Amino acid sequence: EDQVTQSPEALRLQEGESSSLNCSYTVSGLRGLFWYRQDPGKGPEFLFTLYSAGEEKEKERLKATLTKKESFLHITAPKPEDSATYLCAVQISGGSYIPTFGRGTSLIVHP
Amino acid sequence: EPEVTQTPSHQVTQMGQEVILRCVPISNHLYFYWYRQILGQKVEFLVSFYNNEISEKSEIFDDQFSVERPDGSNFTLKIRSTKLEDSAMYFCASRRSTEAFFGQGTRLTVV
Repeated sequence: EDQVTQSPEALRLQEGESSSLNCSYTVSGLRGLFWYRQDPGKGPEFLFTLYSAGEEKEKERLKATLTKKESFLHITAPKPEDSATYLCAVQISGGSYIPTFGRGTSLIVHP
Repeated sequence: EPEVTQTPSHQVTQMGQEVILRCVPISNHLYFYWYRQILGQKVEFLVSFYNNEISEKSEIFDDQFSVERPDGSNFTLKIRSTKLEDSAMYFCASRRSTEAFFGQGTRLTVV
């Protein structure tokens, strides 16, 4: 049973067309939720950590938000260089601190 | 900026051969991980390592796999007798506090 579900699987945007990626989780206690960016053939690159509902983090065109059941990664006015797979991972409180990943959302931004 | 480095970037091996994948974690990090990603699939946890011993491992990490920290800087993953289904990207990660930082991966191809 997947603990982390990401949607959509794939997303195509025009340059400048803002959108959001979703990560829903079904763990009993969340210690932390992470967003990573992964370029083809490369390792995950850390973007954000969120710890509690209501928390928000921003970096350039990206903003991550967290509720009790899901997280959103908002992309404002994306550029072609934002094209990548965006991965969500969770750490469970009271357990090991091992990040468990979702399947990712593949984002393509067309010029 | 400190980073996790992995060598080699690509390894081709014959089925049944032993391979060793190498990682240099970030220097002041204490927790080390190996993950793998089969082409088109999600990033999967293999094993975590702390204080010179395995702290947790997944079902994937069977007797064919082993990890070592032979000195103060290197962290290795050994696959004793490779199978075709071991073909994947293997990522090393390390963390000090909450966030795990990943290397660029080793692409293992078993032929």
